[in-house]
Amino acid sequence: AQSVSQHNHHVILSEAASLELGCNYSYGGTVNLFWYVQYPGQHLQLLLKYFSGDPLVKGIKGFEAEFIKSKFSFNLRKPSVQWSDTAEYFCAVILNNAGNMLTFGGGTRLMVKP
Amino acid sequence: DTGVSQDPRHKITKRGQNVTFRCDPISEHNRLYWYRQTLGQGPEFLTYFQNEAQLEKSRLLSDRFSAERPKGSFSTLEIQRTEQGDSAMYLCASSRQATGVGGYTFGSGTRLTVV
Repeated sequence: AQSVSQHNHHVILSEAASLELGCNYSYGGTVNLFWYVQYPGQHLQLLLKYFSGDPLVKGIKGFEAEFIKSKFSFNLRKPSVQWSDTAEYFCAVILNNAGNMLTFGGGTRLMVKP
Repeated sequence: DTGVSQDPRHKITKRGQNVTFRCDPISEHNRLYWYRQTLGQGPEFLTYFQNEAQLEKSRLLSDRFSAERPKGSFSTLEIQRTEQGDSAMYLCASSRQATGVGGYTFGSGTRLTVV
């Protein structure tokens, strides 16, 4: 069965620090990869997605992610975080362009100290 | 508001009671998904509709759970004989088939507490 692992459950950073959140998936075939963000009290929102092409994907609010197929990874990065980035971040995958269901990782809770 | 609407936002029920949640997707979206999220976990897939047809069901969806989308618009998720383990946030999402993969819009969820 496919699975998605986010190894950092809680991350605490100071403003202006750089961010990298890990995401690994276990599936050898074609995948579509996503990062979602959930701000406190709000619904899940799409940050960015990878379907094909350039493995470096840029999303909203200065976030980017890099798909490394050989490492089965899709890590999320931001060069300089802000207090408003405090949220929970979820990595998710869909297999084989089926378009049927997202499988989510367990999430990483990011706290940015002002 | 043109987003995905879920009702109610919160539900507290006694163990053994039945509960029903409603989801109104974005009107032009023909795909509708139900997910469940427990504290400290990512959302877990429950079931998925394309128009009125229920096309996939997770093994998480026990026989106490039933979902419908009778006219291909809104959907309901019913839980019969609730158990404390059913306490969770129930999320609905919708997408347009033509959007392709993952163009989901999520609702704010219904938080169920079984006491």
